[in-house]
Amino acid sequence: AAGVIQSPRHLIKEKRETATLKCYPIPRHDTVYWYQQGPGQDPQFLISFYEKMQSDKGSIPDRFSAQQFSDYHSELNMSSLELGDSALYFCASSLGRANEQFFGPGTRLTVL
Amino acid sequence: GQNIDQPTEMTATEGAIVQINCTYQTSGFNGLFWYQQHAGEAPTFLSYNVLDGLEEKGRFSSFLSRSKGYSYLLLKELQMKDSASYLCAVRPSGAGSYQLTFGKGTKLSVIP
Repeated sequence: AAGVIQSPRHLIKEKRETATLKCYPIPRHDTVYWYQQGPGQDPQFLISFYEKMQSDKGSIPDRFSAQQFSDYHSELNMSSLELGDSALYFCASSLGRANEQFFGPGTRLTVL
Repeated sequence: GQNIDQPTEMTATEGAIVQINCTYQTSGFNGLFWYQQHAGEAPTFLSYNVLDGLEEKGRFSSFLSRSKGYSYLLLKELQMKDSASYLCAVRPSGAGSYQLTFGKGTKLSVIP
C-alpha cells in the first residue's frame, strides 16, 4: 500500500539558511499534518491543512511557513535556520480530519 | 493545557504480556491514539479509542476510560521486534482541533 512520502530524507544546512521540506500524502488523503521531533522528545505539532486550507496551527515559529497545493502535497518552508531547528520533521496524512494519521518516514534536518 | 503521562521505560520478557499505561488531562477529548516508534523512524499507528472499553487488534489491545482519563496498551506474546517506544496521543475536542498531542513515550525493552 502507498505510504506518505517525504523528501529529502536528510538535509544539512548552515545557520541562517533556508530549507524546504516536501510531503506527498497517501493518495486520496485530504489532510496533512507537520510535526517536529527533537532528539529524545515526543513529536510536537506544527501546522495542518485540510482541503488546501490551513486547519490547525501549533507551535510553528514565525520563521516557518507551509502550504498545501492543488494536488494535496504540502511544503514546509523554513527560513533563518537556527541550531535548535535540528530535528526530525514528520508529515502525516489522513482521510478526513477525524481519522487516524499515517506518518511519513521523516526528514532529518541538521543545522550546523 | 494538555498533560499526558506515561512511564518512561519498561522492560519485559519475550513471550510475556506487558501493559503500558497512559493518563491524560486535556482541554476536551476527541479520541486517544497509540503509536509505535522505533528509534529514528516514523510513528506507526496501532490503535484508536474514542469510546470507553477495549479495542483488540491481534496481539495488541487498547483500553479507554474517559471518566478516569486513563488508557492502556496491552501487548501479548511479546517479540523482540516489539522493542520500541510507544506513544500515547490525545486529540482534543473543539472546532478545528484535529492535531495530536503526544505523551513523552514509553521505551519498551523486550529481553530474551
